[in-house]
Amino acid sequence: GAVVSQHPSWVICKSGTSVKIECRSLDFQATTMFWYRQFPKQSLMLMATSNEGSKATYEQGVEKDKFLINHASLTLSTLTVTSAHPEDSSFYICSARDPGGGYEQYFGPGTRLTVT
Amino acid sequence: DAKTTQPPSMDCAEGRAANLPCNHSTISGNEYVYWYRQIHSQGPQYIIHGLKNNETNEMASLIITEDRKSSTLILPHATLRDTAVYYCIVRDNFNKFYFGSGTKLNVKP
Repeated sequence: GAVVSQHPSWVICKSGTSVKIECRSLDFQATTMFWYRQFPKQSLMLMATSNEGSKATYEQGVEKDKFLINHASLTLSTLTVTSAHPEDSSFYICSARDPGGGYEQYFGPGTRLTVT
Repeated sequence: DAKTTQPPSMDCAEGRAANLPCNHSTISGNEYVYWYRQIHSQGPQYIIHGLKNNETNEMASLIITEDRKSSTLILPHATLRDTAVYYCIVRDNFNKFYFGSGTKLNVKP
């Protein structure tokens, strides 16, 4: 199947700082990527849809000014958590759809964010 | 919002078939059912998907009822490495996935 990578795999930052997480599709071009958040022992929650060359669309309740998404190329989407606080500590996972395949989403390995 | 409900956990003996049920009674006619699994602290892994007909691949089989209100994922010969949380998802018309709470499958020796 298609491969999606994320960088970094884990990050620790201080409260008030910003953190950027990268999501890359390695062997296909993805016009659409998705960002999820997962708290411990909970399911994945869809945060936003990242569209190449246009603005991201956010799910209800997700602050677009806090979670900045940029999808500047067909293989890269970035999520920036601005002014991070301890409650933003979570597992952030991206996925991408291979338009050459079906509509299944291929998920990255996730990024563990800890805000101290 | 998730359109699926699954039992929170199930046990299965190693080597036996694991049958994981999922209810999706509000599914629309053109919405697909997808199954993924997540091993601890990793990204979800695609397993299989279907619309109406039963599907089989190298990992699993998917049985969808005729009224499409429920489905069952079958792992024919479960191994210890199949221990994971299994998610049944209905893909919406915007190709979004809304995850439910999933089923924690425990494969025991």
